[in-house]
Amino acid sequence: KQEVTQIPAALSVPEGENLVLNCSFTDSAIYNLQWFRQDPGKGLTSLLLIQSSQREQTSGRLNASLDKSSGRSTLYIAASQPGDSATYLCAVRSSITGANSKLTFGKGITLSVRP
Amino acid sequence: GAVVSQHPSRVICKSGTSVKIECRSLDFQATTMFWYRQFPKQSLMLMATSNEGSKATYEQGVEKDKFLINHASLTLSTLTVTSAHPEDSSFYICSARDRRFAPTDTQYFGPGTRLTVL
Repeated sequence: KQEVTQIPAALSVPEGENLVLNCSFTDSAIYNLQWFRQDPGKGLTSLLLIQSSQREQTSGRLNASLDKSSGRSTLYIAASQPGDSATYLCAVRSSITGANSKLTFGKGITLSVRP
Repeated sequence: GAVVSQHPSRVICKSGTSVKIECRSLDFQATTMFWYRQFPKQSLMLMATSNEGSKATYEQGVEKDKFLINHASLTLSTLTVTSAHPEDSSFYICSARDRRFAPTDTQYFGPGTRLTVL
């Protein structure tokens, strides 16, 4: 059974700092990995999706990397801003077919960027 | 990007009543829809997966007679919580993907529905 872990559960940094959010998963046989952002009381916004054959994806100040063999992914946020404050969720898809085609989520990291 | 809407965003009901939540994909065909529930400071837990025109597949421990899912069209899925009780109070989030574009497709999420059962 796939398990996704995100540590620490919460992080507070001053504005402008570059930071790395970590995600680990137990079963390396994944098809893709996705990073999401969730604001309080809201749904999820997809940030980046990395296919299993890829090493990283970039979007603006965000860069996500994937090391499938070691079961790890990182989300790098450059020059953090107060507007980046949110919960960041990592999720892996373990199969693309049938009832097993589902995302397994970590509990998320709640980021607070102080002005 | 693709948009998924949910209605209502918040609902408060009395214990024993049934509540229906709608999930719509606004600008793409959702061949597959997912329903999740999320407790405070917890991860999203998948409740069920439904493919258009087929019966939903429920995760272990989820009562299919209590959480009725209907995915009648490529743009609409509904979750009905029957005979709701206070322990059903949670944040329910739907999600949709167009599996014709698998495995590169992205799963899009709705804004969620906060259910409070008194």
